[in-house]
Amino acid sequence: QSALTQPASVSGSPGQSITISCTGTSSDVGNYNLVSWYQHHPGKAPKLIIYEVNKRPSGVSNRFSGSKSGNTASLTISGLQAEDEADYYCCSYAGSNALFGGGTKLTVL
Amino acid sequence: QVQLVQSGAEVKKPGASVKVSCKASGYTFTDYYMHWVRQAPGQGLEWMGWINPRTGNTGYEQKFQGRVTVTRDTSINTAYMALSSLRSDDTAVYYCARDHDGGLDFYFECWGQGTLVAVSS
Repeated sequence: QSALTQPASVSGSPGQSITISCTGTSSDVGNYNLVSWYQHHPGKAPKLIIYEVNKRPSGVSNRFSGSKSGNTASLTISGLQAEDEADYYCCSYAGSNALFGGGTKLTVL
Repeated sequence: QVQLVQSGAEVKKPGASVKVSCKASGYTFTDYYMHWVRQAPGQGLEWMGWINPRTGNTGYEQKFQGRVTVTRDTSINTAYMALSSLRSDDTAVYYCARDHDGGLDFYFECWGQGTLVAVSS
């Protein structure tokens, strides 16, 4: 099984919205509503920001939202803020294991 | 509050083994699955395996089968990840991560601080 496919980088200006895609297959993203997203600032532990495609854990800003269509999941961050600059990873259940995407570096211009 | 505290950095030679610990506090250790995830330098996250602390049942990513062993000691609320036959490409930061709720959901809600394992001759 290969890693899920994410763009290597995205960028946006403060206040704007960006979307990060995460493409898998019918064996993972397309077959289960068990997609999660993580924010990772270098040197820190990753942080769960979306689970079950579109649910936010308690305490996570509603500027973060998730969706899925077919084999592709998406993370949208609205009202970009400087502190959103980080690496973002998607993850999907794949039957008996978990697959991560390769990660997307978000730059806030 | 929930805390996962991992053991310190390790330097190992190729072919050796390493065992990383993850001590949990702030919740009932046996109520939540625990996972292990690693990140090699400049690379993305990679899931390695899970353990049910209540039963000791485990599951592993196929590529690590035969080299990784996840165990736990419920008397001290600690999970362990042992990796054998180390190679240079096993150099990575290893994280323990608690699942989101009482099931095996593969959502990693709480993370340890990470343990650097460096493999070098």
